[in-house]
Amino acid sequence: KQEVTQIPAALSVPEGENLVLNCSFTDSAIYNLQWFRQDPGKGLTSLLLIQSSQREQTSGRLNASLDKSSGRSTLYIAASQPGDSATYLCAVWGSARQLTFGSGTQLTVLP
Amino acid sequence: AAGVIQSPRHLIKEKRETATLKCYPIPRHDTVYWYQQGPGQDPQFLISFYEKMQSDKGSIPDRFSAQQFSDYHSELNMSSLELGDSALYFCASSSRLAGIQETQYFGPGTRLLVL
Repeated sequence: KQEVTQIPAALSVPEGENLVLNCSFTDSAIYNLQWFRQDPGKGLTSLLLIQSSQREQTSGRLNASLDKSSGRSTLYIAASQPGDSATYLCAVWGSARQLTFGSGTQLTVLP
Repeated sequence: AAGVIQSPRHLIKEKRETATLKCYPIPRHDTVYWYQQGPGQDPQFLISFYEKMQSDKGSIPDRFSAQQFSDYHSELNMSSLELGDSALYFCASSSRLAGIQETQYFGPGTRLLVL
């Protein structure tokens, strides 16, 4: 059974810092990995999707990498802003044809 | 751009009552997924539909059922509600192109509170 772990569980940084969120998964037989943002009590906003054949994806200040063989992904956020404060979830799509989510990293960017 | 629509956004029910949640996928998306997110937990997959047929089943209780209609909207029916059913219920939609799983787009969720 696929298990997804995210470290750290919570992170607090001053505005302007670059930061890295980590995601690991136990079954490397995945089709893609998706990073989401969730604001408190709100829905999930898809940030980036990386297909299994890709190594990374970029969108604005966000860059996500995927190392399928080692079961790891990172989300890099450049020049963080208070508006980036949210919970970031990674989820993998595998042979079970469902998204398996990690528990998320709760990010706080201090002004 | 059109997004996934869910209704109602909030729902309060009492134990043993029934509830019906609705999901309207993004136009031309052929796949719908339902997820349940309990307080402080990560979303858990319940069930999915592809082209109006059930595709995959996750941790959906027997008290719950779902279907996808001819216009591709989906409904999640929940009976004999329990306190533990209180959660945020998400619907997501996507399209399958040449067998490749595309990005899932999530709706805003329905917050269900069972008293």
